[in-house]
Amino acid sequence: AQTVTQSQPEMSVQEAETVTLSCTYDTSESDYYLFWYKQPPSRQMILVIRQEAYKQQNATENRFSVNFQKAAKSFSLKISDSQLGDAAMYFCAFLGGGSNYKLTFGKGTLLTVNP
Amino acid sequence: DADVTQTPRNRITKTGKRIMLECSQTKGHDRMYWYRQDPGLGLRLIYYSFDVKDINKGEISDGYSVSRQAQAKFSLSLESAIPNQTALYFCATRPTPSSYNEQFFGPGTRLTVL
Repeated sequence: AQTVTQSQPEMSVQEAETVTLSCTYDTSESDYYLFWYKQPPSRQMILVIRQEAYKQQNATENRFSVNFQKAAKSFSLKISDSQLGDAAMYFCAFLGGGSNYKLTFGKGTLLTVNP
Repeated sequence: DADVTQTPRNRITKTGKRIMLECSQTKGHDRMYWYRQDPGLGLRLIYYSFDVKDINKGEISDGYSVSRQAQAKFSLSLESAIPNQTALYFCATRPTPSSYNEQFFGPGTRLTVL
């Protein structure tokens, strides 16, 4: 079974600074997908960024980028120029290519942005 | 209008009561999911359905049942609610086929069982 580990229960960053959230996963599959979801206080789950395992290039979405290290099974999220609206719970999630019926989530990292 | 809706958004009930949480989607997706979120545990899959006649248990299905009344509707029932079912419940959908395998989440239902 796949597992997803987020080792940082809480993180904080100053507004306009950069922060990196860590995620590691364990799988025997070679084809899979990785996601970062954001959950603000409104509790809506919002997709931030996705990465296909077969792609070597790291995904980027505006101020959000990932560092995908397939051999190390690591998938960290970097938020540049942090804004107050980035404050939220962030979840890393794994979707297997062979059994792609469900997302496996990490336990989340609560990000605080200080003005 | 939201693509994935859940009703109710909040519910307080008592131990032993039967509760139904409803999910509707206008995205035309085949696959629908019910997840449960507990503090410090992330989201865990309760049930999932690939179409009206295909329903499957997830990792924490005990104490829950589901009904896929139509492609657009997927309901979660707690036959006899207990306090440890107090949680935030999410419905999600995904199209088939899907290039990106993204799941689209509803706004969540906060359930409190007293």
